[in-house]
Amino acid sequence: DADVTQTPRNRITKTGKRIMLECSQTKGHDRMYWYRQDPGLGLRLIYYSFDVKDINKGEISDGYSVSRQAQAKFSLSLESAIPNQTALYFCATSLPRDSWGAFFGQGTRLTVV
Amino acid sequence: ELKVEQNPLFLSMQEGKNYTIYCNYSTTSDRLYWYRQDPGKSLESLFVLLSNGAVKQEGRLMASLDTKARLSTLHITAAVHDLSATYFCAVEVGNQFYFGTGTSLTVIP
Repeated sequence: DADVTQTPRNRITKTGKRIMLECSQTKGHDRMYWYRQDPGLGLRLIYYSFDVKDINKGEISDGYSVSRQAQAKFSLSLESAIPNQTALYFCATSLPRDSWGAFFGQGTRLTVV
Repeated sequence: ELKVEQNPLFLSMQEGKNYTIYCNYSTTSDRLYWYRQDPGKSLESLFVLLSNGAVKQEGRLMASLDTKARLSTLHITAAVHDLSATYFCAVEVGNQFYFGTGTSLTVIP
């Protein structure tokens, strides 16, 4: 089983719908991140959390919200999806200043039509 | 605004040739990471560079870090088709990871 698991792996949704992407991890890391990947733009940080009570906005948080339900679970919500939120979304985890960097889930491909 | 720039963005090279991918970043950081991504897949950690002058090698790939120049390089030696992928560098600053735009590498037989 993957250390960082994202569900669903693929999702097509309609404009205006609310959608939640889920991430769970078995690595025991306190830090969790949500990134979105668009062609030619690399990965951009949406939100990050250093523990259950610490949630921070990233570079592109508008239109998104998150919930850290437990150390191992970090969910990303699109309250009212729009087509330009079509992207590949990655969850990642890390330890503080660890020598391994960030570990990534398999990604969720979201299409908003 | 912190910037992490990679070049080239696209690289097509013949098998057996050598090439270098460059990663420049705009702020002080002593931690730099290289990742590989295959199409439709997740990011896989390749190298972790933790100090100025650090050099890591794995197979046909070698990464180095010059923190004074704010530059990291990923050198490919005698490329093979299996190295075709997108390569990302990332710097860790203020407890966040900032990624470059990626270099899409295609190795042609």
